[in-house]
Amino acid sequence: DTEVTQTPKHLVMGMTNKKSLKCEQHMGHRAMYWYKQKAKKPPELMFVYSYEKLSINESVPSRFSPECPNSSLLNLHLHALQPEDSALYLCASSQDGTGNTEAFFGQGTRLTVV
Amino acid sequence: GQSLEQPSEVTAVEGAIVQINCTYQTSGFYGLSWYQQHDGGAPTFLSYNGLDGLEETGRFSSFLSRSDSYGYLLLQELQMKDSASYFCAPNLNRDDKIIFGKGTRLHILP
Repeated sequence: DTEVTQTPKHLVMGMTNKKSLKCEQHMGHRAMYWYKQKAKKPPELMFVYSYEKLSINESVPSRFSPECPNSSLLNLHLHALQPEDSALYLCASSQDGTGNTEAFFGQGTRLTVV
Repeated sequence: GQSLEQPSEVTAVEGAIVQINCTYQTSGFYGLSWYQQHDGGAPTFLSYNGLDGLEETGRFSSFLSRSDSYGYLLLQELQMKDSASYFCAPNLNRDDKIIFGKGTRLHILP
């Protein structure tokens, strides 16, 4: 199984809503990532978890709150988002950082904030 | 700071060869990956260079020169399905940090 599964595929939320994005992998990877991608732009790194601990936060606003409940799951909790936060949110995982760090990406959650 | 430069667009003919260059200035450089992304799809891994030199994977090859802070992706025998965006993505500091260049949009003409 070389899949990273993200749910939901699409999400529309209001600026006062609270929602969560979910990501799951069963490849035994120890690193998991959240990226944000706007149309015709590259993926922009948000968070990295290594061995279930937050290792990198790229100065992301606190209205985005990541969580790693176990080695297979990664969540992104959303609260009080702005319309400019509308984007494709990609989850990825990789085995380790000591060599060929191939990252496997999920298909993403397309988020619209209204 | 960090900077990554790659051409924004490249056009080539089906069956031809194309090279996409990437120059980088980053701290804690560990290696260079390349990813492909089709419209509406997720990025998929193509190649990784941890050492200087050429890595070959089927129709795709990638090259790295650490001394020149430069790498390239070479695509041979181009097919229409190769029309996509290609990103160079340095791995930084062995901390699982993977950042993406701005991407090169590859257009294939029949």
